[in-house]
Amino acid sequence: QVQLVESGGGAVQPGGSLRLSCAASGVIFSTYGMHWVRQAPGKGLEWVAFIQYDGSNKYYADSVKGRFTISRDNSKNTVFLQMNSLRVEDTAVYYCAKAAKGPRLEPGDWFDPWGQGTLVTVSS
Amino acid sequence: IQMTQSPSSLSASVGDRVTITCRASQSISSYVNWYQQKPGKAPKFLIYAASSLQSGVPSRFSGSGSGTDFTLTISSLQPEDFATYYCQQSYSTPPITFGQGTRLEIK
Repeated sequence: QVQLVESGGGAVQPGGSLRLSCAASGVIFSTYGMHWVRQAPGKGLEWVAFIQYDGSNKYYADSVKGRFTISRDNSKNTVFLQMNSLRVEDTAVYYCAKAAKGPRLEPGDWFDPWGQGTLVTVSS
Repeated sequence: IQMTQSPSSLSASVGDRVTITCRASQSISSYVNWYQQKPGKAPKFLIYAASSLQSGVPSRFSGSGSGTDFTLTISSLQPEDFATYYCQQSYSTPPITFGQGTRLEIK
């Protein structure tokens, strides 16, 4: 059974930085792409970033491009989200999720499973 | 690609049949997936490729559609089905986009 556990959330001032982690178990982590998805309080789901199985390709939502960096350490079964220049509108629960289809970003892919989420609050 | 769900919220009773609609801003073949989210919990994956049920999901859930119009139907609502439902497309990626959600409430 695949389990994803996020950590690293917390409160930070605008302009600050935070690094989220997502540890995976029960899966051959190095063979799957991984996503980050966020949900602002009381709002819907927003895809944030994707990293390919080997880390060689990364994709970002326009809203975070240039500020967030996704990375992974396959030796530790962990994916990261480095968040810099944080804004109030980045306040959200951040979920990591496994790409269901496999190693790359593919048409038709979906998120399964999801972690429990970690809350990031950006406020002065 | 924008995904528009309707209605945004829906009140229904146990045993009712309900349908949620998701419309894409352009044709996306059958590349729509559906999720269920309960308050304070992570989303749960339900349906892929518009109509294929994830293993373990009750058969009262079904999906249909292709092109731009898609539906999620719950044939006979159970108490545990009251939640928010999201559609998601990954036809043209990146970005991956979600509908705004449909909140299903108890009448």
